[in-house]
Formats: sequence, structure tokens, C-alpha cells
Amino acid sequence: DGGITQSPKYLFRKEGQNVTLSCEQNLNHDAMYWYRQDPGQGLRLIYYSQIVNDFQKGDIAEGYSVSREKKESFPLTVTSAQKNPTAFYLCNPPETQYFGPGTRLLVL
Amino acid sequence: QKEVEQNSGPLSVPEGAIASLNCTYSDRGSQSFFWYRQYSGKSPELIMSIYSNGDKEDGRFTAQLNKASQYVSLLIRDSQPSDSATYLCALANAGGTSYGKLTFGQGTILTVHP
Repeated sequence: DGGITQSPKYLFRKEGQNVTLSCEQNLNHDAMYWYRQDPGQGLRLIYYSQIVNDFQKGDIAEGYSVSREKKESFPLTVTSAQKNPTAFYLCNPPETQYFGPGTRLLVL
Repeated sequence: QKEVEQNSGPLSVPEGAIASLNCTYSDRGSQSFFWYRQYSGKSPELIMSIYSNGDKEDGRFTAQLNKASQYVSLLIRDSQPSDSATYLCALANAGGTSYGKLTFGQGTILTVHP
């Protein structure tokens, strides 16, 4: 996994529910990024954090929230405001070009 | 115009042939270019990176970059069925120790048939 772990592998969300995706890294990198991939498309940037306690919106941040309390962890919450959350979510520390194994989010 | 555009697929080649994947981009400030391979249901896997004009070879893979024409390509020689996957072109405006945001093309599906 190149030092990047994501969990769970699959996540099911009910209507109106908030769900949180985990991304952890043991690479001691400052920056961490979240991307979303829809079928047949490339990845798009949701949120990113360059340093602990700081984060910025990416290109498609609406309906998502993040926190960065620890260097190792950058959880992504998919809120009920995200009307089309079904996608493959990938975490990446940009000091490498590698991605975590991803979380596939499905709506019940 | 999309920021990163890949040749539309799917692309089908016979085993042993050369597969050619192309990518054009609009941002002249792009500095770093990457090719990822993505198997169905898996996360993208980096196979090539290139930063300077010209060719870069790694085993059966050759990446070609032409910044003046704003295109980057990937050649796969002696294609194998295990090369069948979606290939994603990505670029970054930064280089060095942190690449920052990656901008992706939509991907090209490659099928290598025996």
C-alpha cells in the first residue's frame, strides 16, 4: 500500500446519513489530498491539506468536509448535502505519486 | 476544452503489438507528467513519470513528452494481456518534493487480446 491505508474498502450510505472515510499514512508527509473518481472518468480533487490543522477546498468540495488534527490522518466526511456520493474515493500524499487502495461508496 | 484530454478508447491491440496512448493538455505551466495504470476495482498505479522533453524508457514502457505541442504519450511494446487496463494521464504544475494537485484525463481503456 506504499504506506497509505484507507478504510473501509466498501461503505454504504443511507439517504440523509453522514459517513466518514479514513485515510492514514505512515510516511511522515505533511500534505494529504482527497480525490473522487466516477465511472469512466479521471480523478477530481475534493479537499487537500498542506499541514496539520489546515485544509483547503479543491475543485468539488461541496457536500464534503475534512479535518486534519494529526499528521498521519486526514478523514473525509461525506455529508447528506452531497446528492451524488456514489464514487471511488482515493487518498494521496502529493510528496509521492501513489494512492491509497481506495474506498468505494455506494448509496442504499 | 478539457484541461487534459486522452485519446478516446477503447483501444484494442493483439498480443505482442505496440500500444500507443496519447494525451494532450492545455496548461503550459505544467511541469510534471504521469501515466497511471488502473485495473478494474483497484486504485491507480504509477507506471511512468516524465518531466523533460523527449523520451523516457522503462522496460517495455516509453513515455514521450513534447511541451511545445503540449502532448505526452505512452508506448507499450510487446503488449501482454496483463497490460489490459485503463490508463490515466495526469499532470501537475509543480515538481520537486511535492507535486500538489494532479489533474487527470478521463482515461483510455486498453485491451490486449491473445
